[in-house]
Amino acid sequence: KAGVTQTPRYLIKTRGQQVTLSCSPISGHRSVSWYQQTPGQGLQFLFEYFSETQRNKGNFPGRFSGRQFSNSRSEMNVSTLELGDSALYLCASSIRVAGQGGTDTQYFGPGTRLTVL
Amino acid sequence: SQQGEEDPQALSIQEGENATMNCSYKTSINNLQWYRQNSGRGLVHLILIRSNEREKHSGRLRVTLDTSKKSSSLLITASRAADTASYFCATAAYSGGSYIPTFGRGTSLIVHP
Repeated sequence: KAGVTQTPRYLIKTRGQQVTLSCSPISGHRSVSWYQQTPGQGLQFLFEYFSETQRNKGNFPGRFSGRQFSNSRSEMNVSTLELGDSALYLCASSIRVAGQGGTDTQYFGPGTRLTVL
Repeated sequence: SQQGEEDPQALSIQEGENATMNCSYKTSINNLQWYRQNSGRGLVHLILIRSNEREKHSGRLRVTLDTSKKSSSLLITASRAADTASYFCATAAYSGGSYIPTFGRGTSLIVHP
């Protein structure tokens, strides 16, 4: 099976702009999670989608949003970019959503490196 | 704050030596997972250990879990230069009515050839 793919791999934006990142999960995986990784904060959970519904959300401002399509592909959007949004954005797919059984094994994409100038 | 915290933050060893990294977490868990990340890339799942398991092996990897101490350790035996990477533990923390996957800050391992 093909792995998780993310596009674009690199992105340079300026403050105030908005950006959309895309993620295609492994075929058959219905859960897609997004993470922000920075040297200072480490790996921070943004949100998780399952069957086109947001199931979990991390502690990020409303400028960060996402959606999932019927084919499980997911996009995340960041509006009004700030310098602090510069990070590696990782997408991960899994068969199940995080629940009482704990997190399912997640398969990560290579990430999108976003630089905000 | 992070649910899991790895220790040490950085580890530098010679090829052939063993590498041990630890993870502590705060709340009760159903499972704990270890991931590896090569520089600037996505994470790769290494091993999952359930709360009712105490030890698990996978190739050169050995993971232990002590739920009474809320800690886990990852041992890499006979390390190789290719093991150079950051290693993260991951759990699920209950927050706001749902389970949030949480990762520690990671241990950066450098294996010198």
